[in-house]
Amino acid sequence: AQKVTQAQTEISVVEKEDVTLDCVYETRDTTYYLFWYKQPPSGELVFLIRRNSFDEQNEISGRYSWNFQKSTSSFNFTITASQVVDSAVYFCALKILTGGGNKLTFGTGTQLKVEL
Amino acid sequence: KAGVTQTPRYLIKTRGQQVTLSCSPISGHRSVSWYQQTPGQGLQFLFEYFSETQRNKGNFPGRFSGRQFSNSRSEMNVSTLELGDSALYLCASSLAVGGQETQYFGPGTRLLVL
Repeated sequence: AQKVTQAQTEISVVEKEDVTLDCVYETRDTTYYLFWYKQPPSGELVFLIRRNSFDEQNEISGRYSWNFQKSTSSFNFTITASQVVDSAVYFCALKILTGGGNKLTFGTGTQLKVEL
Repeated sequence: KAGVTQTPRYLIKTRGQQVTLSCSPISGHRSVSWYQQTPGQGLQFLFEYFSETQRNKGNFPGRFSGRQFSNSRSEMNVSTLELGDSALYLCASSLAVGGQETQYFGPGTRLLVL
């Protein structure tokens, strides 16, 4: 069975601080995909990034960066110079290749609050 | 390109009633998945449809059912509603089924069961 753990339930930072959201996953499959989604108060899940298990390159997109480490089964997400608009719940999710179809297994989410 | 749309956005029902929720995927997307989000259980996978066939199902009772039409639009139905069915129901679509497919979510339907 697959499992995703987001140990940080809630994080509060002051604007312009850097913040890292942790994600640890468990799967016996060797081929899988990891995702991050953002959920603002409106409720819609907004796709941020997808990473496959064979690609451990870190990725940077503007103020966002992701660090994927298979050795520790982690896929952490860092926001640099946080802004109030970054306030949302962030979900990490896992999808296996074999027999899983498009089913996503989500973590419990991290509520990020960015204050002025 | 329009995103995933879900109707209705809000719904209030009473215990024992049934409800049907609708989802229109992004144009060209043929896979539709449904998820239930509650404060206690988080985001849980309900089922997935592709080419009008259910491809995958989560651990939910038979009261939860769904279907997909030839135009890829999907509906989910919950019969004999219980208080615990109060949740945000999210629909997601993707081009096809498989590993690298990314799912794009709609705004959800908020269901309150009284």
